[in-house]
Amino acid sequence: QQQVKQSPQSLIVQKGGISIINCAYENTAFDYFPWYQQFPGKGPALLIAIRPDVSEKKEGRFTISFNKSAKQFSLHIMDSQPGDSATYFCAASNLAGNQFYFGTGTSLTVIP
Amino acid sequence: ETGVTQTPRHLVMGMTNKKSLKCEQHLGHNAMYWYKQSAKKPLELMFVYNFKEQTENNSVPSRFSPECPNSSHLFLHLHTLQPEDSALYLCASSQVGGQGEKLFFGSGTQLSVL
Repeated sequence: QQQVKQSPQSLIVQKGGISIINCAYENTAFDYFPWYQQFPGKGPALLIAIRPDVSEKKEGRFTISFNKSAKQFSLHIMDSQPGDSATYFCAASNLAGNQFYFGTGTSLTVIP
Repeated sequence: ETGVTQTPRHLVMGMTNKKSLKCEQHLGHNAMYWYKQSAKKPLELMFVYNFKEQTENNSVPSRFSPECPNSSHLFLHLHTLQPEDSALYLCASSQVGGQGEKLFFGSGTQLSVL
């Protein structure tokens, strides 16, 4: 059973627009929710992460919104740039262990 | 540079071959991982090593055999693979007990099984 569900599978956004990727989870024991960014030919790299004690975290143009009651979290990329074109993965884990559960990924294309 | 180095970057092998993937982390971490990445699927955790001891084996077929000789090196030995094993194999490391939530990935080995 897939622990983390991610949508959409692919996304095309105009330069300057807002990119939104959504994830949902079931396991209420998860207490850490990172987003990873992967460029072609590279491994995923941590982009931004949130813990469930806050509803939002912002780092530059990247924001995570977290809804604990709905068990959903999303990544917002403001003022999207062509250099943001990559695959984005959400993940969830329980910090007591070291198991990470990943979504299926979203391929983002930002067109000039 | 992420501090996690994987070799080779690409590998093509027949179903009867034996090959090994190598991973080295230069970050002083105490946990290392093998993940399998296939198109349109979540990253699949294969193996976890904490302090050189294997702590997770997610029902991976025995044709995949991990080896962790020390906390900096991790191998994945491959033998009699199937075409469906073709994928990107990613190594990662983390510091469990410190900022253990941060996984650092290598660039992966793209494996093709003919």
